[in-house]
Amino acid sequence: AQSVAQPEDQVNVAEGNPLTVKCTYSVSGNPYLFWYVQYPNRGLQFLLKYITGDNLVKGSYGFEAEFNKSQTSFHLKKPSALVSDSALYFCAVRVNFGNEKLTFGTGTRLTIIP
Amino acid sequence: GAVVSQHPSRVICKSGTSVKIECRSLDFQATTMFWYRQFPKQSLMLMATSNEGSKATYEQGVEKDKFLINHASLTLSTLTVTSAHPEDSSFYICSAGDRGLVGTQYFGPGTRLTVL
Repeated sequence: AQSVAQPEDQVNVAEGNPLTVKCTYSVSGNPYLFWYVQYPNRGLQFLLKYITGDNLVKGSYGFEAEFNKSQTSFHLKKPSALVSDSALYFCAVRVNFGNEKLTFGTGTRLTIIP
Repeated sequence: GAVVSQHPSRVICKSGTSVKIECRSLDFQATTMFWYRQFPKQSLMLMATSNEGSKATYEQGVEKDKFLINHASLTLSTLTVTSAHPEDSSFYICSAGDRGLVGTQYFGPGTRLTVL
């Protein structure tokens, strides 16, 4: 079985400050890890993914995430937050073989304070 | 990037009627599409995996006769909510897997269903 934990329901960050949204995972085998963002009444937009290779992955809108195998984490980061980054963020995991089914975390609502 | 469309974006219907939601991959072929349901302020719940040319695989607890899925082509999957009731009101989201991009799923914009 695979699972994802996003320990923070809500994260508030002042505009211009760095932000981190936390994610830990559990899978049997090597993971494929994803971050998605959801704006109100919209579907999910793909931000970035880790498949293999460099542990630091860069994605859309200046976001990046670091894969840490020993800590089974894949935290999302951005050096300088924008008000427009305010949204709901989901971390997801799947194993790197077989079924393509993704398992999502419960989501973290990020609010950037002007 | 890969684009997935969903139609309609919003639908209101009377209890007992059926509603069909379409999901299309616009610029890639998707042998697999996924249907999710999202309750307010909650995560996505996978309802079923839709495979082109074969029967859909439903998650435990999802009524396959209630939520009919058809994946007739490599770019189109449909979800029909049959005999809808108010408790079926929800936000339904589809996604399509692009094998060429190592299993990344791209999501449609969602359909807000309200059953009166």
